Amino acid sequence: GEDVEQSLFLSVREGDSSVINCTYTDSSSTYLYWYKQEPGAGLQLLTYIFSNMDMKQDQRLTVLLNKKDKHLSLRIADTQTGDSAIYFCAEITGGSYIPTFGRGTSLIVHP
Amino acid sequence: SAVISQKPSRDICQRGTSLTIQCQVDSQVTMMFWYRQQPGQSLTLIATANQGSEATYESGFVIDKFPISRPNLTFSTLTVSNMSPEDSSIYLCSVRQGGENEQFFGPGTRLTVL
Repeated sequence: GEDVEQSLFLSVREGDSSVINCTYTDSSSTYLYWYKQEPGAGLQLLTYIFSNMDMKQDQRLTVLLNKKDKHLSLRIADTQTGDSAIYFCAEITGGSYIPTFGRGTSLIVHP
Repeated sequence: SAVISQKPSRDICQRGTSLTIQCQVDSQVTMMFWYRQQPGQSLTLIATANQGSEATYESGFVIDKFPISRPNLTFSTLTVSNMSPEDSSIYLCSVRQGGENEQFFGPGTRLTVL
């Protein structure tokens, strides 16, 4: 299987919370990232979490890390139409400087 | 955060020709990376480009097909040589910066090969 896995699609109603999930296989992950890619654009670094943290909050974004289950999630509160994009999870493992990316979750926000 | 620009933003090319993509960063960085993002797929690292040395290519990518230049700490080019329709993709330049190993990306070059 892939090193970093994400579900491909998520559809939510405007104003609801979105939760995008990611699982990874390498227990030596040091940093985990969330990137956002809007149509026709490059990747924008949204947030990241160090592996010794359980949670990180930044305005509407909350990142949760369950290291035991190798599970990372991104919660977007009060989701807006401008949040519609592809969200990529990525990890860097100890001793490497090259992140491994998931295939991305396409978030669709409808009124 | 680093600000990265790429030229061209998009191009449509004929089979057998070559295209050189430019990447400019607003600050000096040691490591620059070139990625490919094929339609509906994740990012695949093509090579790592360090100033003053030859680029390091990942498995499945070779210098003859994807020659890279890194003349200084703020600039790099990637050439896609002898293109075929399978090379149609988004090509992204990336740099690492910051104490938290943050990786930043350019806006990408969308290449279509006919």
